[in-house]
Amino acid sequence: QSALTQPASVSGSVGQSITISCTGTSSDVGAYDYVSWYQQHPGRAPKLVIYDVNKRPSGISTRFSGSKSGTSASLTISGLHAEDEADYYCSSFTGSDTLAIFGGGTRLTVL
Amino acid sequence: QVQLVQSGAELRRPGSSMKVSCKASRDTFTTYAFFWLRQSPRLGLEWMGGIIPMSGTANYAEKFQGRVTVTADASTSEVFMELTSLKSEDTAVYYCARGVNLADGGGVAAFDVWGQGTLVTVSS
Repeated sequence: QSALTQPASVSGSVGQSITISCTGTSSDVGAYDYVSWYQQHPGRAPKLVIYDVNKRPSGISTRFSGSKSGTSASLTISGLHAEDEADYYCSSFTGSDTLAIFGGGTRLTVL
Repeated sequence: QVQLVQSGAELRRPGSSMKVSCKASRDTFTTYAFFWLRQSPRLGLEWMGGIIPMSGTANYAEKFQGRVTVTADASTSEVFMELTSLKSEDTAVYYCARGVNLADGGGVAAFDVWGQGTLVTVSS
């Protein structure tokens, strides 16, 4: 499988909202409601912020939300905080031997 | 707080093998599936394989089949990942991660607890 497609970078000001897109195919994103999103700060392990397209793990702010339409998924962060500045990765279940594939990552800059 | 603690950084020669460990708490080890992923600047995040420790059932990504083996030791609550025939392209940070485990069957292919990462450098 090919990696999922994400924009290389997005930016927003403190307090604003941003959306990061993630495009897959009918074999992954379009086939299953098992899209996850991870936040990664420099030198740290990824942190799960959204799973099953739009569910938040315990402890994740309600400012993080997810959605999906067809073969594309999105992560929206509302009311940006400075600490939201990080890399964000989407991932999808594939139903094959390769359980999950990832996007190339999006660098979020908070101005 | 749930933690996964990985073994330290390694330097390996091309053609050799590597084996990374990941220690979990006893209750986590017996309840969850564990996975190995790696991250490199050139290839990004890649899912490599995983295991359900209590059954010993392991699955591997097509890309790594034949080169990767994931095992678990119940006596120490550790999960291991061995990768053979190393190439320079295997230079990466290797992570173990716990799979989300929901009673309703959700959380498929989502990883909610990660180890700190192990840098493996393959160089002559």
